[in-house]
Parts: sequence; structure tokens; C-alpha cells
Amino acid sequence: DGGITQSPKYLFRKEGQNVTLSCEQNLNHDAMYWYRQDPGQGLRLIYYSQIVNDFQKGDIAEGYSVSREKKESFPLTVTSAQKNPTAFYLCASSIRIIREANNEQFFGPGTRLTVL
Amino acid sequence: RKEVEQDPGPFNVPEGATVAFNCTYSNSASQSFFWYRQDCRKEPKLLMSVYSSGNEDGRFTAQLNRASQYISLLIRDSKLSDSATYLCVVNKVGSQGNLIFGKGTKLSVKP
Repeated sequence: DGGITQSPKYLFRKEGQNVTLSCEQNLNHDAMYWYRQDPGQGLRLIYYSQIVNDFQKGDIAEGYSVSREKKESFPLTVTSAQKNPTAFYLCASSIRIIREANNEQFFGPGTRLTVL
Repeated sequence: RKEVEQDPGPFNVPEGATVAFNCTYSNSASQSFFWYRQDCRKEPKLLMSVYSSGNEDGRFTAQLNRASQYISLLIRDSKLSDSATYLCVVNKVGSQGNLIFGKGTKLSVKP
């Protein structure tokens, strides 16, 4: 079955530790995205990548880092510099688009990160 | 004006009711519009794209009004299983592929 997987589903870390969230897709999508969602808030874009070995900052990139060494994988590291890391993290992917139209994104199940 | 704005609700309706959600967007150059559904503590899932001529999928009808820059979603004959948060989504003009998500409208369908 094609889809997007994220692991783990729940993650607990101590303050000051870096943590890496996994995101893998077998949809052959070129573009991948990371969002965070806080209670009662909309999704906010952290980083995105439109092609392997390339990625750009989203609206709230500070305190996060990513890599895109393989088309299928787009891991997100939450560093100790992120001041409020507790949130629901969602990874998404989409077919690479040439025009802006028809660029629906498909989401993984998310990782709930709690920093104690 | 916020980039994408929705009434947060909650909308509490009885089973069988018809309910409508509206959403406004700020950039008149936007070209792609979607409704996503998000269940509690789950990921958003694409419900339907919104086309210029309007489109229907079973009990769901989406409309786009470019002149007024708003999108609507109509749900007829509400089911208990329709209870969720509905996210209005618009493409971010000038950035290929990026989307802007509204905060969502919460729907609760009661027996």
C-alpha cells in the first residue's frame, strides 16, 4: 500500500535534547513538507523540500533542521534551540507541480512530541 | 485580513441537518482551493478540491466565489460520522506547492 509513515507516534524527550522525527513515503512524490500544529491552531509550515538534496525554510524554521538525501525520506530534527517544541508534528507529500494549481498534499499520521 | 479565515465554530447540529461552512481568503491570485477533514488527534485528510464551477461529491458540495474571495462547503443529511474539524486550504501565491491552512471549523453532529 502506498502512503506516508511517521514514527514514532508519541515521543517524550527531556528539555535540551535534540530529537529526530522520521517521515517516509512510497508514493514517488517529489515534494515533502513538515508542519506543526498546536491546540486550536492551524498548521504552520516548518520546512519543505521540492526535490532531493534541496529544501527551504517555511514560516517557523527556527530551532529545526531537515535533510533530504533520498526521495522517500525527509527527517526533521527538533533542536534544543526550539523554545516551545511540544506539539503535533505532521509530515506531508505531494506530486511536484509545475504550476500552482492542483497541488493537494497527503499527510502522514503525525508524531506527538512532548518535551518534559 | 488573515490569509485564510474560517468561523471556528463549533457547529452543533442534529443528524440529518444541512450545514454550511464559509471560508475567506485574502489573495485574489490564489488558484487552488481544498477542503480537508481532520478528526480529533489525527492527520488532515483531503475531502475535496474546489473547482471554479462548483463541485459535488455525494452529500458534500463545494463552491468558489472568486469575486468575493470565499469558498463554501455544504453538507447535506449530516451523519454522526461527519463530526470533525473542516479545514479550508488555499495555495500560497508565489511559492510552488505550498498551501495555507485555515484553523478549521469544528462540526459536531448529535443523535
